[in-house]
Order: sequence, then structure tokens, then C-alpha cells
Amino acid sequence: AQTVTQSQPEMSVQEAETVTLSCTYDTSENNYYLFWYKQPPSRQMILVIRQEAYKQQNATENRFSVNFQKAAKSFSLKISDSQLGDTAMYFCAFMKHGSRNDMRFGAGTRLTVKP
Amino acid sequence: SAVISQKPSRDICQRGTSLTIQCQVDSQVTMMFWYRQQPGQSLTLIATANQGSEATYESGFVIDKFPISRPNLTFSTLTVSNMSPEDSSIYLCSVVVGVSSYNEQFFGPGTRLTVL
Repeated sequence: AQTVTQSQPEMSVQEAETVTLSCTYDTSENNYYLFWYKQPPSRQMILVIRQEAYKQQNATENRFSVNFQKAAKSFSLKISDSQLGDTAMYFCAFMKHGSRNDMRFGAGTRLTVKP
Repeated sequence: SAVISQKPSRDICQRGTSLTIQCQVDSQVTMMFWYRQQPGQSLTLIATANQGSEATYESGFVIDKFPISRPNLTFSTLTVSNMSPEDSSIYLCSVVVGVSSYNEQFFGPGTRLTVL
């Protein structure tokens, strides 16, 4: 079974600074997807970024980028130039390739961006 | 993309009663799911809602407790039956659009349920 671990229950960062959220996972699969989802206080889950395991290049979406280390089974999220609107719960998630209904979530990291 | 609405957005219910949560999507979707998010915890998949047939439940969840309907490609309901305080959670509807090997999973705004 796949497990996803987020070891940082809470983090905070000053506005405009950079913060990195950690995620590790355990799987015997070779082909899979990794995700970071954001859940603001409004509760709406929003996909932040996605990484395919077969791609060595780290995914980037504007101020959000990942550091994907497949051998180490690590998938951290870096948020640059943090904004107040980045305050939210962030969930790391794993899904096997070809399995569209088996997404496993980590416990989440509550990020607070301070003015 | 897909726009998902859920009703009700929140409710406070008495022990022993049942609540039906509705999920409506603005387009036809391939797959629909129901998740539970207990206070301060992550998301746990309850079941996959199958159109026109019985839902597929994950380990630890049973149809008698969480009956699910999906009469068409845009609508599903989840009922939380014979509620107890342990059922207090956020219940989220999620959908997948498309049929390729990967399609983004979209989430509804959730229904916050409190059982007294």
C-alpha cells in the first residue's frame, strides 16, 4: 500500500519570503503521479502542482515549484514570494498511473503567511 | 475543468438521524468520488459513485452506513445514516473529467457535518 507522510503539521513564513513544505511517500510502483493540493479556509481543494514520476524535470507553476527526488521518494513544495493568499492547508497526494480512483493524501501542513 | 456544488454546505444534526448530501457538477464527468475529512485530518476515500449501479466502497466503509446514488453523469448523493458524533466531518465530492490515463481530480467545497 502507498503511504504519504507530511512531517510538518504547521509552518509559517513572512510575506514575500520562501518556504518549503516536505513530503515523503512509500511505494513499490515505478510509474505514478504526485500532487500538491491547497485547501484554504473556504475548504475548496485546489490543485497547485502535479509531477509525473517518469519525468526527471521538476514541475513549476509560477511561484510554486517542486523538488522531486524519486530515489529518495521525496516530493517537496517550494513557495516563492509568499503571499497572504497562500495561507491554507497543503496536502501532498500520490496516485498510481492508470488508477484514477486511488489517490492517497498526506496528513497536511497548515501554512500561515504573516504580513 | 469542472465546477462542483454541494448541498448543504453545513448542517448540525441529532444523533440517530440521517443526512443526504448532494453533489452537482456542471458537466458530464467520468468518475465521482466521496471523501471524508475528519477534524484536523487528511482526506479519506469513502467510495466511488458508479452511474446506474452500486457504489464501490473502500475498506472500513459500508453501504448501510453510507448509501450512495448516482443516477446520471452529473449528480450524486451521499447519505450518512444513523449518525453519531464520530461522523462529524467534512464530506467532499470529487470528480474526474476525461478518459485518458491521467485527468485532474476536482473537489467540491465540502459539507461540514456536526452531529450532536
